[in-house]
Amino acid sequence: AQSVTQLDSQVPVFEEAPVELRCNYSSSVSVYLFWYVQYPNQGLQLLLKYLSGSTLVESINGFEAEFNKSQTSFHLRKPSVHISDTAEYFCAVRIIQGAQKLVFGQGTRLTINP
Amino acid sequence: SAVISQKPSRDICQRGTSLTIQCQVDSQVTMMFWYRQQPGQSLTLIATANQGSEATYESGFVIDKFPISRPNLTFSTLTVSNMSPEDSSIYLCSVEEPTSGSYEQYFGPGTRLTVT
Repeated sequence: AQSVTQLDSQVPVFEEAPVELRCNYSSSVSVYLFWYVQYPNQGLQLLLKYLSGSTLVESINGFEAEFNKSQTSFHLRKPSVHISDTAEYFCAVRIIQGAQKLVFGQGTRLTINP
Repeated sequence: SAVISQKPSRDICQRGTSLTIQCQVDSQVTMMFWYRQQPGQSLTLIATANQGSEATYESGFVIDKFPISRPNLTFSTLTVSNMSPEDSSIYLCSVEEPTSGSYEQYFGPGTRLTVT
């Protein structure tokens, strides 16, 4: 079975500061990795994903995540955050072969302070 | 990407009653999923609903408690039966089209259920 651990339940940062949201996973088989974002009072949206190829993936709004197979991690980073980045961020995995279900981490609430 | 709507958006229900949640997609999709997000917790998959076959339930979830219908490729319902306060959660449906090769799931806005 797969599991996902997001080490920080809440991360407060100041606007324009860098941020890293940590995600570690456990799986005996190869997985795809995802970051979803849930803005206040909205549904989940896919932020970025790693399927194969380059281990560094980027989103359109400046976030990036790096797949590290040896450390089984997929940390999310942004060099300079904006107030509008305030949201809940979920890391998720799914196995490459077989069931399509997503296994989610506990979520990290990112709060940006002016 | 698929656009998904859910009805109702929220509801307050009494213990022992049932609520049916609807999920409507703007395009035909093969796979639909129902998740639960309990207060302060992450999302947990309840079941996978594919058109033309019985829903597949995850460990800890049973059909008698969460019956699901999938009458066509754009619609599904989840019923929460004989509700108790522990069923207070956000219920979300999601969809994926395996043939797209994107491996992306798109989520509805959720139904916030409070059981008193």
